[in-house]
Amino acid sequence: QGQLVQSGAEVKKPGASVKVSCKASGYTFTTYGINWVRQAPGQGLEWMGWISAYNGKTNYAQKLQGRVTMTTDTSTSTAYMELRSLRSDDTAVYYCARVIAAGAFDIWGQGTMVTVSS
Amino acid sequence: ETTLTQSPAFMSATPGDKVNISCKASQDIDDDMNWYQQKPGEAAIFIIQEATTLVPGIPPRFSGSGYGTEFTLTINNIESEDAAYYFCLQHDNFPWTFGQGTKVEMK
Repeated sequence: QGQLVQSGAEVKKPGASVKVSCKASGYTFTTYGINWVRQAPGQGLEWMGWISAYNGKTNYAQKLQGRVTMTTDTSTSTAYMELRSLRSDDTAVYYCARVIAAGAFDIWGQGTMVTVSS
Repeated sequence: ETTLTQSPAFMSATPGDKVNISCKASQDIDDDMNWYQQKPGEAAIFIIQEATTLVPGIPPRFSGSGYGTEFTLTINNIESEDAAYYFCLQHDNFPWTFGQGTKVEMK
């Protein structure tokens, strides 16, 4: 069936970077992509981008271009999302999800709370 | 960017009711619409794909309809376990975008 387990909560200062991990188990990691989504407090979901675990191809939301990098480590079946130059409005719960087809996320991580505060 | 306008933002239902949740796209997205359910503290669940196809394992009281710019998620004979947050997602064009979500509460 598969499972995605994310790293723990983070507290960062404005201007810092954060790197969230998403470890996959129970399926062949390179068969599917990993998608990242975030949800700020009281807000809806925001799609951040997608990475193919097969070839590392990425597609980022334009508003995050230049600040976000998504990578994978196939040796450990882990996906990473790094966000730089953090601002207070980056405070959110960050989710990874397995992509089985365009827009089709069948397995989600438990979420990682990232708080940006001085 | 395609904006999805989801409504209502909140609704209260009685077990056995028929519930409709609307998602309107700012441009034609064919049938590239998916629906998800999320309960507090739990991972989201993929329930409808390509506007009308029920994801395997999802109860048949859930259904989806629509094409182009107007889409609906319907829950027939809603049960107490269906109390959750529901959101739509379009994948016709990048960036993929979500509706603002609908919180369904049971009376």
